Amino acid sequence: KNQVEQSPQSLIILEGKNCTLQCNYTVSPFSNLRWYKQDTGRGPVSLTIMTFSENTKSNGRYTATLDADTKQSSLHITASQLSDSASYICVVSGGSQGNLIFGKGTKLSVKP
Amino acid sequence: DGGITQSPKYLFRKEGQNVTLSCEQNLNHDAMYWYRQDPGQGLRLIYYSQIVNDFQKGDIAEGYSVSREKKESFPLTVTSAQKNPTAFYLCASTPGHQDRSTDTQYFGPGTRLTVL
Repeated sequence: KNQVEQSPQSLIILEGKNCTLQCNYTVSPFSNLRWYKQDTGRGPVSLTIMTFSENTKSNGRYTATLDADTKQSSLHITASQLSDSASYICVVSGGSQGNLIFGKGTKLSVKP
Repeated sequence: DGGITQSPKYLFRKEGQNVTLSCEQNLNHDAMYWYRQDPGQGLRLIYYSQIVNDFQKGDIAEGYSVSREKKESFPLTVTSAQKNPTAFYLCASTPGHQDRSTDTQYFGPGTRLTVL
């Protein structure tokens, strides 16, 4: 069964600290993996998209990694800011019909 | 949120009533999508349309209906047949209709529907 599992479910960190969010998937065949940021009560916004051949991709203070062999991805946030407080959603594209499989998200709270 | 608008932001409905959620985009995108988001759940696909006058059921289409008469508009009707309609509804669009697995989806701001 195609699944995307994210951990932790929620995370609280202090402003200025770094953190890493995890995404494990069992989607096959694999097409690409995306990370979205969703502010409370808003629509998700794309952060990165990674294909099979890409190991690392950065977008400002956000760095995503992908290990296609172990089917794991991580999103590293450097020097966190209060505005980073949001849910981060991992989305894997693939399967027999090229569907998008959404993880349940990690809720990050950055405290001053 | 790009060029996608959803209205209203909050919607209250009595049981047994149909209600229509609006989604409009000015991005000239071919494909449009409707998702449902529940607390602690991943987004689930309700319906999608890859081109005008054509649409397909997603994973949870029962109790919902859509139309795609114009490229820029993809309204979703939540019917009385939907047993648990209270949720956050998100509309999205992608530029092309060739391969929806590779296009990045642009989401609207969402509509929160509450059934009283």
